[in-house]
Amino acid sequence: NAGVTQTPKFQVLKTGQSMTLQCAQDMNHEYMSWYRQDPGMGLRLIHYSVGAGITDQGEVPNGYNVSRSTTEDFPLRLLSAAPSQTSVYFCASSYAGADGYTFGSGTRLTVV
Amino acid sequence: AQKITQTQPGMFVQEKEAVTLDCTYDTSDQSYGLFWYKQPSSGEMIFLIYQGSYDEQNATEGRYSLNFQKARKSANLVISASQLGDSAMYFCAMRDAGYSTLTFGKGTMLLVSP
Repeated sequence: NAGVTQTPKFQVLKTGQSMTLQCAQDMNHEYMSWYRQDPGMGLRLIHYSVGAGITDQGEVPNGYNVSRSTTEDFPLRLLSAAPSQTSVYFCASSYAGADGYTFGSGTRLTVV
Repeated sequence: AQKITQTQPGMFVQEKEAVTLDCTYDTSDQSYGLFWYKQPSSGEMIFLIYQGSYDEQNATEGRYSLNFQKARKSANLVISASQLGDSAMYFCAMRDAGYSTLTFGKGTMLLVSP
């Protein structure tokens, strides 16, 4: 039982490059979400999904795309990376009615 | 919209002492849940304790307890008998009414000294 797996753990991008942060869970959780963590800001919600084929925006969605074609996977796409997207990204999952959320180990992204 | 406020950017405590980390919240939902997470320097998010809005008793998990005062909209974390390994960032968070996402505070950095 791997829980929530995020890849890669570290990434350096050049401004304007695109990339996909991967998130996979093996717990059959309906709900998945992406957060970014910046110093002094806590974790802020980027996008979330309540099931396959259903996604919605969070607090800071600009510059990011998501899709949810399967229950297990919820990738986060950076279309054209900017230095302001330098951050630590966390994926989390839970099941409907749950009182707990499982977090991945995070991806540290630097955009230069 | 939900909001979590953590007013203490940093806290210092000596080993074996108790410490209280403050958290206040704002929501219009009648049903909600409050969480505390620990983030050590290694970066992972570690779940500590949960309190549901309808729970009448304060939650406890080992050395952690949540001082829930619904009328004051506060959910303070109390760590008894602090240990050096408790040095970390601590986040208070609230789940939305649909259980699908969390709203986080900005965190409190706790340093435990020998």
